[in-house]
Amino acid sequence: TQLLEQSPQFLSIQEGENLTVYCNSSSVFSSLQWYRQEPGEGPVLLVTVVTGGEVKKLKRLTFQFGDARKDSSLHITAAQPGDTGLYLCAGLFGNEKLTFGTGTRLTIIP
Amino acid sequence: EAGVTQSPTHLIKTRGQQATLRCSPISGHTSVYWYQQALGLGLQFLLWYDEGEERNRGNFPPRFSGRQFPNYSSELNVNALELEDSALYLCASRFSSGGHNEQFFGPGTRLTVL
Repeated sequence: TQLLEQSPQFLSIQEGENLTVYCNSSSVFSSLQWYRQEPGEGPVLLVTVVTGGEVKKLKRLTFQFGDARKDSSLHITAAQPGDTGLYLCAGLFGNEKLTFGTGTRLTIIP
Repeated sequence: EAGVTQSPTHLIKTRGQQATLRCSPISGHTSVYWYQQALGLGLQFLLWYDEGEERNRGNFPPRFSGRQFPNYSSELNVNALELEDSALYLCASRFSSGGHNEQFFGPGTRLTVL
């Protein structure tokens, strides 16, 4: 059974600060996805990373895939209240099985 | 293009009853996934249907079952409800092949078991 651990589980910071959340596993992923979920809604796909060492940017969000494809990070620069939500990583093992991480609940304080 | 839709939005049942949850995928998507999300944290995989057949199921008891219809919509049934079944049930859809299994989620059905 593949497990994805996310850290921290909860994070509360002031608007304008930077933050990084992590997604780790002992297994190698074919690819990894990051989702954000807001209250009362389903998760929304933010990005998919495929190649070891890959870095993708989405405005103030920077996603990195570890060289060994076992871990990933999400860095947010100058956090804004609109970034508040539950961030979920999801690893693809083989071609079909997508396993979701434990989640990081982020709160940005205005 | 319409997204994934789920009904009902909220469902309240008592212990021992049965619950039926419904999902309509994005047009053109043939795969449907069901997840259970308790306490607003990570998603636990329940079931995967593709082209009308069950392809995989997660580590849940047999009282969790479902089906996929010819129009690719899907139904999740939970029998003999228990208090710990209270959760948000999410449905997701995707194209049946290719890509990296990127899934598109509906807003969920909040099931409360009293």
